[in-house]
Amino acid sequence: GNSVTQMEGPVTLSEEAFLTINCTYTATGYPSLFWYVQYPGEGLQLLLKATKADDKGSNKGFEATYRKETTSFHLEKGSVQVSDSAVYFCALARDDKIIFGKGTRLHILP
Amino acid sequence: GAGVSQSPSNKVTEKGKDVELRCDPISGHTALYWYRQRLGQGLEFLIYFQGNSAPDKSGLPSDRFSAERTGESVSTLTIQRTQQEDSAVYLCASSPVAGQGYNEQFFGPGTRLTVL
Repeated sequence: GNSVTQMEGPVTLSEEAFLTINCTYTATGYPSLFWYVQYPGEGLQLLLKATKADDKGSNKGFEATYRKETTSFHLEKGSVQVSDSAVYFCALARDDKIIFGKGTRLHILP
Repeated sequence: GAGVSQSPSNKVTEKGKDVELRCDPISGHTALYWYRQRLGQGLEFLIYFQGNSAPDKSGLPSDRFSAERTGESVSTLTIQRTQQEDSAVYLCASSPVAGQGYNEQFFGPGTRLTVL
């Protein structure tokens, strides 16, 4: 079946550190892939997306590349800020449903 | 424009009582989803409505859970005889179209349900 596996948190980094949150997926066909973010006290919102292999989604300094050969969609940011502290969810869309990973909580220390 | 709204924002109830949670999707969105998010957990799919098609109820955890949607507007999630394990944040999302694999969802702020 379709599933998403992402690294467990919490992840704690210092400000300006490099961030990677790993995400791999299992799916039939060619799903679209997403990263959603949930800031403290706020609702879930789309961070970035990629709809086909080798696409790179980017937003707010975050990037993720759709790697079909490794079935991965790792989230990266070159220099994190305190304001990036949130829970990040990797997700795939298939047959009109979105399947979410369990989320990774990110803490950025000043 | 207006986003997805949910009410109430918080609900505290006693074990065994019934609760109703409401979701107002973005106008014109044909698809509507309900999810449950337990403390420290990911999103658990509950139910999906798409236009006039029969809803996909495959995620409902028990027959105490049910949901309705009137056309392409408001949806109500009902939990009967609530149990403590039902305590969670219930999220609603809507989507403009149902396509081939790409379906961006817009989320409401959620209803935090606490069952005492």
